[in-house]
Formats: sequence, C-alpha cells, structure tokens
Amino acid sequence: RKEVEQDPGPFNVPEGATVAFNCTYSNSASQSFFWYRQDCRKEPKLLMSVYSSGNEDGRFTAQLNRASQYISLLIRDSKLSDSATYLCVVNGDGGSQGNLIFGKGTKLSVKP
Amino acid sequence: DAMVIQNPRYQVTQFGKPVTLSCSQTLNHNVMYWYQQKSSQAPKLLFHYYDKDFNNEADTPDNFQSRRPNTSFCFLDIRSPGLGDAAMYLCATSIASGRGYEQYFGPGTRLTVT
Repeated sequence: RKEVEQDPGPFNVPEGATVAFNCTYSNSASQSFFWYRQDCRKEPKLLMSVYSSGNEDGRFTAQLNRASQYISLLIRDSKLSDSATYLCVVNGDGGSQGNLIFGKGTKLSVKP
Repeated sequence: DAMVIQNPRYQVTQFGKPVTLSCSQTLNHNVMYWYQQKSSQAPKLLFHYYDKDFNNEADTPDNFQSRRPNTSFCFLDIRSPGLGDAAMYLCATSIASGRGYEQYFGPGTRLTVT
C-alpha cells in the first residue's frame, strides 16, 4: 500500500469553480500534514499546513480526518493562477523530523 | 529576503563523471534535506541533516553522498552518475515549530547525464 495516495487528475475546472482534492495516508502515527503547490519544472512551495481542527487561508481550506486517515484541500473561486500540481505531504512517523512523505500530486488546470 | 539557493540551476555531466550540487540557506534552519524528483513523480528523500547529524534513507544508493560543512551550506555529491540519475535535485530546509517541520525548497538543480 502506497504511503500517501492522491488522485493524479487532471482536474479541469472553469474559473470561479470550487474544487476539492483528497489524499489518504497509511501511517496512523503521522503527526504533521501539509499541502504543497508545484508549478511545472519548479520547486514545491508550501501552501498550507493542515491542523486537526481544519484551517482556512483565503480561498483555501484544509481538513484532516484522522479516523479515516485522509486530508482534503478545497479551493473556492478558482483562478487561472491556481493551475498547478498540488502535493499532499505527511510525516512518515510520529517524531522524525526528516521523514516527510510526498504524494505524487493532483494536477489542477483552471480554464477561462 | 531569506531563502534557499541552489547552484547551478542546470548541470550537464557525463556518464561516470563525478558531480557536486550545492545548496545554501539564509533561513538559519537547522535541518537540511536533499530530494530527487523525476518527471511526474513525487520528490524522493535521499538524506537529511539535523544539525550535524546525517540521516541516510535506507534506499539511497551509495553513489550519493552529502556534506554539510556548516549550518548554511550543504552539498550533494554524485560519485559516478548514471543515466538513471538524471533528475531534478531539490534542497530543502526546515526548523521545528508548532506546526511541525514545514520545509522550504530551493529552486532545484536539473541534472542531465550524457
């Protein structure tokens, strides 16, 4: 079983749409969860950390469901500039500072 | 601005010819990482330094080595590059915070092996 799984997409949505991505992780001891954004041939950039109670940053909302071991990212009012690959990232065990596991990413394409 | 810098951005080397990639940071983070990312794949952690402590991933080939002479710099040495080592190499840094270890990436070095 893969440690972090995401639907690769692509998700093709019109501007202004709401789109949601899910991600599942296998290690129940994971403590830290993140969403990163990666543009084509660029480095990943931290979009937001994911907190147990859920958190929002502008048009972006992240949720964590520990019981089901999944994380979600909701993007409201999609912009053309949101087009990118969104990487779900989980720390591989409870305490290791280095062991971040990346999903392969979900590709989003926002069309005019 | 505080940042993670990687040099060179593009590196071409010949099969079997050693190559060194460099990373520097002005964030004063104590943890530094090296990742390998191939097309359409997730970044794969090669190793990381927690301060001076080196942590190698179990499946990182011996062909890959690293050095961290001080807090700001970290190097990735590929002793005998093969065609399969062509990839983007990403350096990242982090520091412990209430949000865990958020990692910040450099722009990457794209390695081509001829």
